[in-house]
Amino acid sequence: GAGVSQTPSNKVTEKGKYVELRCDPISGHTALYWYRQSLGQGPEFLIYFQGTGAADDSGLPNDRFFAVRPEGSVSTLKIQRTERGDSAVYLCASSLDSDRGRTFGSGTRLTVV
Amino acid sequence: QKEVEQNSGPLSVPEGAIASLNCTYSDRGSQSFFWYRQYSGKSPELIMFIYSNGDKEDGRFTAQLNKASQYVSLLIRDSQPSDSATYLCAVNNYNTDKLIFGTGTRLQVFP
Repeated sequence: GAGVSQTPSNKVTEKGKYVELRCDPISGHTALYWYRQSLGQGPEFLIYFQGTGAADDSGLPNDRFFAVRPEGSVSTLKIQRTERGDSAVYLCASSLDSDRGRTFGSGTRLTVV
Repeated sequence: QKEVEQNSGPLSVPEGAIASLNCTYSDRGSQSFFWYRQYSGKSPELIMFIYSNGDKEDGRFTAQLNKASQYVSLLIRDSQPSDSATYLCAVNNYNTDKLIFGTGTRLQVFP
């Protein structure tokens, strides 16, 4: 596609529920990144895929967070047993060449009530 | 010490003035440096990147890099009210490829 697409744009869920956030990167971009941004903060790195494999998942806060990219294109970020502290905007970005930065999607605003 | 540090601002400048935004980083292995602009409620948008020491100009924007001092700056000439946004500095190390962001500096350009 023309840009990075993220769905849903907004998600409200109850504490303890499971959520999935989807990212469709720019066509041909092999690298895909997930970030989380809280109010007044910069984006915080979560995980990075090169192709189908997670090249670096060191930013995932705990084992409730998991992400997949089974065919090297679309990625899903999965959060189990959501907590109120998980509320944030989850940003996905993709790149062809990391030297030239990442292109971000419009984000998914997750609210855990 | 944070990996990438920015003054949160707000930085207020009059229309037509030069806005100067600064950023310092801690990882001496950092090799590429980026400035993103983020309007309220929107996602970050890449405006400049720089790899080599010195200045890089693109229209009204100039990025400056000093690896020895571990700082990178962004100058915006002839500032416009439409430049009012948060400017995020981001730093990349090729070994990790994580792209680490600062907290951003909020710029306000008043008419």
